[in-house]
Amino acid sequence: QKEVEQNSGPLSVPEGAIASLNCTYSDRGSQSFFWYRQYSGKSPELIMFIYSNGDKEDGRFTAQLNKASQYVSLLIRDSQPSDSATYLCAVNIGGNTPLVFGKGTRLSVIA
Amino acid sequence: DTAVSQTPKYLVTQMGNDKSIKCEQNLGHDTMYWYKQDSKKFLKIMFSYNNKELIINETVPNRFSPKSPDKAHLNLHINSLELGDSAVYFCASSQASRGEDTQYFGPGTRLTVL
Repeated sequence: QKEVEQNSGPLSVPEGAIASLNCTYSDRGSQSFFWYRQYSGKSPELIMFIYSNGDKEDGRFTAQLNKASQYVSLLIRDSQPSDSATYLCAVNIGGNTPLVFGKGTRLSVIA
Repeated sequence: DTAVSQTPKYLVTQMGNDKSIKCEQNLGHDTMYWYKQDSKKFLKIMFSYNNKELIINETVPNRFSPKSPDKAHLNLHINSLELGDSAVYFCASSQASRGEDTQYFGPGTRLTVL
């Protein structure tokens, strides 16, 4: 059974702080790793994808991947109230294959 | 321009009815998916189609029948609706090329079965 685990939260951080979101996955064959953001009542929106071990930065967001530990994380620097949402970690075995999602971490950024 | 669109956005119906949800993507992608998000917000794959052919059929009751008339459209027909079918259904599409296989999601269809 392929599983993706996330802490459900809520994770509360003050405005301007760094929010750290973590995810572990069970399938060692996983090749592609994604972070989606989902606002209440909306569809998942891609934040970052990462395929290789290490860090990948895009603006205020940094994704980190450690395949040996089967661990993916997302750092949000200078958190804003507009970042308050549920963050979904998703993995697949690459190509056009279905995503296996975690249950999401609810982030609350307090102004 | 809407990349992945779904209709209807909301669907309220009685138990036992049959209903359909439609999805269209204008991204030129070859692969389309149906995901179900339950009341606990857990997103799970239902079906995957590649170039109009069924690739993945997770353990979904056979009351659910997807149909892809062409690679830009993937519809979902549900027979004999049950209370447990109430959920948000998301369509998505992807095209694995140039090392990127990101899936793009439609706005979702919130199905409520009374």
